[in-house]
Amino acid sequence: AQSVTQPDIHITVSEGASLELRCNYSYGATPYLFWYVQSPGQGLQLLLKYFSGDTLVQGIKGFEAEFKRSQSSFNLRKPSVHWSDAAEYFCAVGNTGGFKTIFGAGTRLFVKA
Amino acid sequence: DTGVSQDPRHKITKRGQNVTFRCDPISEHNRLYWYRQTLGQGPEFLTYFQNEAQLEKSRLLSDRFSAERPKGSFSTLEIQRTEQGDSAMYLCASRNPKEGAEQYFGPGTRLTVT
Repeated sequence: AQSVTQPDIHITVSEGASLELRCNYSYGATPYLFWYVQSPGQGLQLLLKYFSGDTLVQGIKGFEAEFKRSQSSFNLRKPSVHWSDAAEYFCAVGNTGGFKTIFGAGTRLFVKA
Repeated sequence: DTGVSQDPRHKITKRGQNVTFRCDPISEHNRLYWYRQTLGQGPEFLTYFQNEAQLEKSRLLSDRFSAERPKGSFSTLEIQRTEQGDSAMYLCASRNPKEGAEQYFGPGTRLTVT
C-alpha cells in the first residue's frame, strides 16, 4: 500500500541555521513526490515536486529536496531558515497521473530567534 | 486567476444537522479533489471528480457524505446528520492534467460539530 512517513513530528531550529525534514515513502512504481507547506488556518502551498530526471529539485522560498530511490526518501532542505518558515510541512506521494495524493502526517517547524 | 476558493471558511453546527460546503476550482481545471484533515494529521483523500464524473470515493466517505459537481465546475460536499467525529478541516484541490500532476489547494472549510 502507498504510504508516506515523516519521522519527526516537530523540529526546532534557530533562525539562520540549516534545515532538513525527512520523508520516506512506500510506493510500487515510480512515484510523483511533493512537499507542501501549510501555515496556521491556511490551505496547502506547493513547495516543490519531483517526477523524473534530476534527483535534486529546487522549489520556492529557497527550498530543495533530493530524491533517493535506494532509500525511498525525499528529504527537504533549506540552507538558512527564516522566522517566516515556521509552519507545518507535508510530504506527499501521487500515483501515476496524479490521481490522488497520499500525505504524511506532517512535521511542524518552529524557528527560534 | 484567483486560485481555488472554498465557502464557508468556518462552520459551527450542532450534532445531527446537515451542512454543505462549496468549492470553486481554478478555471479550466477539470480534476477536483476533496480531502479531510484532522488536527495533527495530513490531509486524507475523500473523493475525486473528472469534470462532472465522480471517479473514486474513499472508504472514509460514509453514506452520510455526498459530493457533487453537476456542471463540471464548482463542487459541493454535503454531510448529513453530522457527528462530532466529523469535526475537521475540509480541503478542496484542483488540477489541470495538462499542466502536471500537482494539485492546488483552497484555504479549506473548518467544521466544528458541537
